[in-house]
Amino acid sequence: NAGVTQTPKFQVLKTGQSMTLQCAQDMNHNSMYWYRQDPGMGLRLIYYSASEGTTDKGEVPNGYNVSRLNKREFSLRLESAAPSQTSVYFCASSGGGSTGELFFGEGSRLTVL
Amino acid sequence: DQQVKQNSPSLSVQEGRISILNCDYTNSMFDYFLWYKKYPAEGPTFLISISSIKDKNEDGRFTVFLNKSAKHLSLHIVPSQPGDSAVYFCAARGTGSARQLTFGSGTQLTVLP
Repeated sequence: NAGVTQTPKFQVLKTGQSMTLQCAQDMNHNSMYWYRQDPGMGLRLIYYSASEGTTDKGEVPNGYNVSRLNKREFSLRLESAAPSQTSVYFCASSGGGSTGELFFGEGSRLTVL
Repeated sequence: DQQVKQNSPSLSVQEGRISILNCDYTNSMFDYFLWYKKYPAEGPTFLISISSIKDKNEDGRFTVFLNKSAKHLSLHIVPSQPGDSAVYFCAARGTGSARQLTFGSGTQLTVLP
């Protein structure tokens, strides 16, 4: 029962390097999300995808790009990493139930030096 | 400007007593409110929710109260247990295409044995 799987779990980058965070869900959910968690800031929405083939900006999209590869997979790319992008990143999915409940992955801790 | 605020970064409670976590919001268009619980090195997990048309929802030891006129909700945990020690996030669901959630900054609850 995997749910939402994120890779990698840990990554250290140098300023200017690029990388992609991968996310996959096996619950047949339509909507997928990327959040970042920073101390004192809670969870802030970076990008989301309401359904396969669509993506939209969230609250803090600058410096990121996303791809909804298919219904299962939603990746987050940092083209030129900056120290301000040091954070814990969470992918989530939702089946659109009445409560809007999101199911989260375990998180990816990224450090940019 | 945060639309969802949790003004208490931390709360300590004795085992067996009541824990009360508070959350304020500014957007009257939110239609559902949710509480998430997060342990270290794990993703947030859904705890309980309440529709904006209700004022109370109960699930075992957990009760959420909503005061729409004050734009305030609270989570009551009775009785508190050491295993409840975690970060609690309040979230509100908007009316966008993916019904995305806006999160508060979280409250670290510590239940002392």
